[in-house]
Amino acid sequence: DSGVTQTPKHLITATGQRVTLRCSPRSGDLSVYWYQQSLDQGLQFLIQYYNGEERAKGNILERFSAQQFPDLHSELNLSSLELGDSALYFCASSGRVDTGELFFGEGSRLTVL
Amino acid sequence: SQQGEEDPQALSIQEGENATMNCSYKTSINNLQWYRQNSGRGLVHLILIRSNEREKHSGRLRVTLDTSKKSSSLLITASRAADTASYFCATSPWGGSGSRLTFGEGTQLTVNP
Repeated sequence: DSGVTQTPKHLITATGQRVTLRCSPRSGDLSVYWYQQSLDQGLQFLIQYYNGEERAKGNILERFSAQQFPDLHSELNLSSLELGDSALYFCASSGRVDTGELFFGEGSRLTVL
Repeated sequence: SQQGEEDPQALSIQEGENATMNCSYKTSINNLQWYRQNSGRGLVHLILIRSNEREKHSGRLRVTLDTSKKSSSLLITASRAADTASYFCATSPWGGSGSRLTFGEGTQLTVNP
């Protein structure tokens, strides 16, 4: 158990809909990262937050947004969903802002029909 | 695009044999990490090697890093069926902001009992 909790574990929705994925980092970790894993794109870095502020941005679509709340949990919002958004979405946390080991949650599997 | 490229994409060995996976990357790095992923599960950190290190050991794992060739290898000795998983290398960019690890496409290791 990594200590990172993600909900929901599975989500099935239709094209055009909006979903919210939630992540609770390990106790004490200030950094939260979101990654998308799909068969054709592999593991793609989406965005990082550190203590409530956006720290780094990767290949995140404009239809996607994220935030980190004062209690350090984070949410990833995906809107106007398309079939190609079907993927595993991972949250990871770290106790450091720079470089170090990431602790991953078990992921949220999104299926867009 | 992925920073790291693993080789081979898939590897099948017998229990007790050694497994070697290679990773190449393109830009200067701060450190390189190896992660393991069981099918559909979250990634688990295995080992981190810094850019000024050449070799590191952890249990049955041995990692080497050659920054002149921009490559790394992961050796798993005396493999077990439980080692069956996907293995990813991940690079942390030199001078980059945050810990935005860039993952390779992974090596699928199958250890046959």
